[in-house]
Amino acid sequence: QVTLKESGPVLVKPTETLTLTCTVSGFSLSNARMGVSWIRQPPGKALEWLAHIFSNDEKSYSTSLKSRLTISKDTSKSQVVLTVTNMDPVDTATYYCARYYDRLFLDYWGQGTLVTVSS
Amino acid sequence: AIQMTQSPSSLSASVGDRVTITCRASQGIRNDLGWYQQKPGKAPKVLIYTASSLQSGVPSRFSGSGSDTDFTLTISSLQPEDFATYYCLQDYIHPLTFGQGTKVEIK
Repeated sequence: QVTLKESGPVLVKPTETLTLTCTVSGFSLSNARMGVSWIRQPPGKALEWLAHIFSNDEKSYSTSLKSRLTISKDTSKSQVVLTVTNMDPVDTATYYCARYYDRLFLDYWGQGTLVTVSS
Repeated sequence: AIQMTQSPSSLSASVGDRVTITCRASQGIRNDLGWYQQKPGKAPKVLIYTASSLQSGVPSRFSGSGSDTDFTLTISSLQPEDFATYYCLQDYIHPLTFGQGTKVEIK
């Protein structure tokens, strides 16, 4: 059974760095057909794709947020970590991780974690 | 980055109606496009991938078409459980990009 679960702080202050962890089960992050993306959604707004990591550790980032994002993985722990620097209230959103299967689609998603940025 | 423009942003329809949502890419993306359904408070769910392939378990009333820059999601006969927001996602090239969504509401 494939599952993904996001974890991290629910509240961060402006200018702080957000670190989110996606713990996966039911598949291996070293499987060449699997990758993991991070997506976010501000309250009442559209989905925004943020970053992706492939099985070979290749990474890609949103053009608009590239300077603030870092994605990494620990295959032995089945975890994918996203850091977002210099958080701002506009970064308040539900953050999702999702499995990208065989470069075809995002087939399994975590439940999402709401992160609020406020002083 | 490739821009994805979805239309309409919202629509009202009745149960049984045929509904069409379009997505236009700012450059050609072959058929590397998926459609996702999201209900309030839930994670999105993939309906269609590679523009026209129906994901396993998705009802056949959903269909997708198009290639290059213009794509369509069609719901042949809208059901009560289909009221949701729909997003297209291009995965032709990274960075991936979503459309801005289409909210399908009850008329």
